[in-house]
Amino acid sequence: SAVISQKPSRDICQRGTSLTIQCQVDSQVTMMFWYRQQPGQSLTLIATANQGSEATYESGFVIDKFPISRPNLTFSTLTVSNMSPEDSSIYLCSANPSAGATDTQYFGPGTRLTVL
Amino acid sequence: RKEVEQDPGPFNVPEGATVAFNCTYSNSASQSFFWYRQDCRKEPKLLMSVYSSGNEDGRFTAQLNRASQYISLLIRDSKLSDSATYLCVVNVGSGGYNKLIFGAGTRLAVHP
Repeated sequence: SAVISQKPSRDICQRGTSLTIQCQVDSQVTMMFWYRQQPGQSLTLIATANQGSEATYESGFVIDKFPISRPNLTFSTLTVSNMSPEDSSIYLCSANPSAGATDTQYFGPGTRLTVL
Repeated sequence: RKEVEQDPGPFNVPEGATVAFNCTYSNSASQSFFWYRQDCRKEPKLLMSVYSSGNEDGRFTAQLNRASQYISLLIRDSKLSDSATYLCVVNVGSGGYNKLIFGAGTRLAVHP
């Protein structure tokens, strides 16, 4: 498995500002992902963070709103840009281990974002 | 139709009971399946992976029926600590590309 940490764990932000969430994995991993979990709902994939190239976004999510970086095999960031109250959610990163069952994903503890 | 559908729950069961959750998926090409457990205000944690017809781990048994596109999770001898939301998850990616689709989850409450 992989141990994943996220910063910040929670934040309260003003409308129109941006927040960058960091995700750190304790070992090199092949793939990293960013999800959103809105209140009372299940997880929705935002994008796959690719090392050395642009992220792959899912339908309904765009790079201008959710820019992603992945500078190396253990770290990624997700920025929520020009926030509105509708962006209030939990944002989770996950990773596939490099060995073993490479389609299994392990999750970070999440970042709870509230936009006023 | 949703890509992954689960029993809506909640399931309220006494300690020691056996409980089963059902899940159906729409993508017939899916190759791997998972059950995750999510406690309140926590991240999902992997409970079981299911690649062939089924998998058993202690009190937990997962079964897969590809023909019916159906997955189940059976919990025997329920414990209070089993209370959580159980997420049925399907990998719809292919060729090394992983994309997990999460069901809405089934809540389980085990009471004394």
